[in-house]
Amino acid sequence: GAVVSQHPSWVICKSGTSVKIECRSLDFQATTMFWYRQFPKQSLMLMATSNEGSKATYEQGVEKDKFLINHASLTLSTLTVTSAHPEDSSFYICSARDFQTQYFGPGTRLLVL
Amino acid sequence: SQKIEQNSEALNIQEGKTATLTCNYTNYSPAYLQWYRQDPGRGPVFLLLIRENEKEKRKERLKVTFDTTLKQSLFHITASQPADSATYLCALAKGADTGRRALTFGSGTRLQVQP
Repeated sequence: GAVVSQHPSWVICKSGTSVKIECRSLDFQATTMFWYRQFPKQSLMLMATSNEGSKATYEQGVEKDKFLINHASLTLSTLTVTSAHPEDSSFYICSARDFQTQYFGPGTRLLVL
Repeated sequence: SQKIEQNSEALNIQEGKTATLTCNYTNYSPAYLQWYRQDPGRGPVFLLLIRENEKEKRKERLKVTFDTTLKQSLFHITASQPADSATYLCALAKGADTGRRALTFGSGTRLQVQP
């Protein structure tokens, strides 16, 4: 199946700093990528849909100025958590569609101290 | 409102038995339904997709059924092994597949296969 990578796999940062997470589709092109967040023992919650060459679409309750998404190319989307706070600590997972199937990255564990 | 429910939060079975996981949905008219496996600290891994006009789909020891009248999908793992222990998620895309639809996930069922 298709492969999606994420970098970094984990990050620890101080409160108030910004963190950038990259999501790449390695062997296919994706005009649309998705960003999810998962808290412990909960399911994945969609944060936003990242569209190549246009603005991201955010889910209700997700602050677009806090979670900046850039989809610069058909194989790369980035999520920047700006001015991170401890409540932003979570597992962030991206996915990209190849036809009808969504392939997920391995996730990025963010811990904000 | 739209809901996806996976009835069992956890399921424990003996090795060699068949595990059956349930996914029910309301207020959806899905074109297809997907099942994923997620291991701790990892992203979900795609297992099977079943379309609305398909009653059943198989892949090795996995079998999925889809009943659009009952609004239910069943996911079976036959001859289960301890390596099958993981959380299994069902997921739906809203409405017709335009190629841009995100998935909505159920809360997952944590399967534990005892040796």
